[in-house]
Amino acid sequence: NAGVTQTPKFQVLKTGQSMTLQCAQDMNHNSMYWYRQDPGMGLRLIYYSASEGTTDKGEVPNGYNVSRLNKREFSLRLESAAPSQTSVYFCASRRGQGDNYGYTFGSGTRLTVV
Amino acid sequence: AQRVTQPEKLLSVFKGAPVELKCNYSYSGSPELFWYVQYSRQRLQLLLRHISRESIKGFTADLNKGETSFHLKKPFAQEEDSAMYYCALSGITGGGNKLTFGTGTQLKVEL
Repeated sequence: NAGVTQTPKFQVLKTGQSMTLQCAQDMNHNSMYWYRQDPGMGLRLIYYSASEGTTDKGEVPNGYNVSRLNKREFSLRLESAAPSQTSVYFCASRRGQGDNYGYTFGSGTRLTVV
Repeated sequence: AQRVTQPEKLLSVFKGAPVELKCNYSYSGSPELFWYVQYSRQRLQLLLRHISRESIKGFTADLNKGETSFHLKKPFAQEEDSAMYYCALSGITGGGNKLTFGTGTQLKVEL
């Protein structure tokens, strides 16, 4: 079981470039999430998908789009990267509310926008 | 709206001393609370979930609904406990359940 897999692990972009961060889980979880982690601010929710076919905005959705491609995959797209989007991005998944194992996190993508 | 507050950015203790990491929350419904630990900016690992009421690595946390708190405690700190600790609340919204984090407390255990 791989759990939650994120690609790439590291990325450097120039301002204005676009890219897609990939996330896949093999635990048959219904809900998937994208967070960004910045020093002193903890993890902030960007977007989430409660189930296949649905997506909702979190606390900081501006500048991002998401796609729940199928039950396994949830991608995060930056259409025009800005230096303020330099961060570590974490994907997470969960079977549902009350799941015995809580939320499972990927290992993160460290993104630098120059 | 759901909110989690961790008032301490950094907590330094000596090895063998008791540890208490504070967490307060705001949520109108019945909360589901977690503690996650992160070592050297690796992936977050689940430490505790309030429903399970178990002790992991010597850590415990009790949900106090009257004080809206979920403080993390350990009687004797170990060097390997040095890490970033996040308190988090899972609540149900119109779009499903979502997890909200506090800003984290860096625990440093000194020899």
